[in-house]
Amino acid sequence: EAEVAQSPRYKITEKSQAVAFWCDPISGHATLYWYRQILGQGPELLVQFQDESVVDDSQLPKDRFSAERLKGVDSTLKIQPAELGDSAMYLCASSLWVSGNTGELFFGEGSRLTVL
Amino acid sequence: AQSVTQPDIHITVSEGASLELRCNYSYGATPYLFWYVQSPGQGLQLLLKYFSGDTLVQGIKGFEAEFKRSQSSFNLRKPSVHWSDAAEYFCAVVGGLTGGGNKLTFGTGTQLKVEL
Repeated sequence: EAEVAQSPRYKITEKSQAVAFWCDPISGHATLYWYRQILGQGPELLVQFQDESVVDDSQLPKDRFSAERLKGVDSTLKIQPAELGDSAMYLCASSLWVSGNTGELFFGEGSRLTVL
Repeated sequence: AQSVTQPDIHITVSEGASLELRCNYSYGATPYLFWYVQSPGQGLQLLLKYFSGDTLVQGIKGFEAEFKRSQSSFNLRKPSVHWSDAAEYFCAVVGGLTGGGNKLTFGTGTQLKVEL
């Protein structure tokens, strides 16, 4: 069964360092999402791509976070510099583009970030 | 903007007992509703979804949910809980389409503990 791949699974870094997370969606899925999940809370959408274009990044802290999906396939989420409050699980998801609705989101296993 | 409320942060049930997890949503139009399950340190897995039609929907692992428009609710149920059901459960709503993808808003989750 096709899966969304994410790496690394775990990342420990010091405050002010740069970190990057990678996501490879299910083949053929045009829509890709990055969610942040703080411990004890539900996932919050950071950025949504349709192919290589950003559709929604209204909740992305753009002073330190950036995301790209250059060829419309895999994606990278970067944080620079990392802050203590960035400690969280970063989840990637993908879905098929459908003209109406109903596409299911498939999630990867996530990348857990700990900032010391 | 759409929102989801899961009023129970923690629920404990005995194995074999019935289960109901509550979810209330806020959205002006007909919502598209989902339940996801998350095991510790893992990504999210879709249990079931409601888009239209029959208000009682069946999902995987013996779960079902009922959409009640008059109560703005989408409660998740299972007649007999198994120890392996212990996990965190998230209700989510699609509040609008952006570029053909689904923008999910999640609740804060309900942590289910199963006593043997």
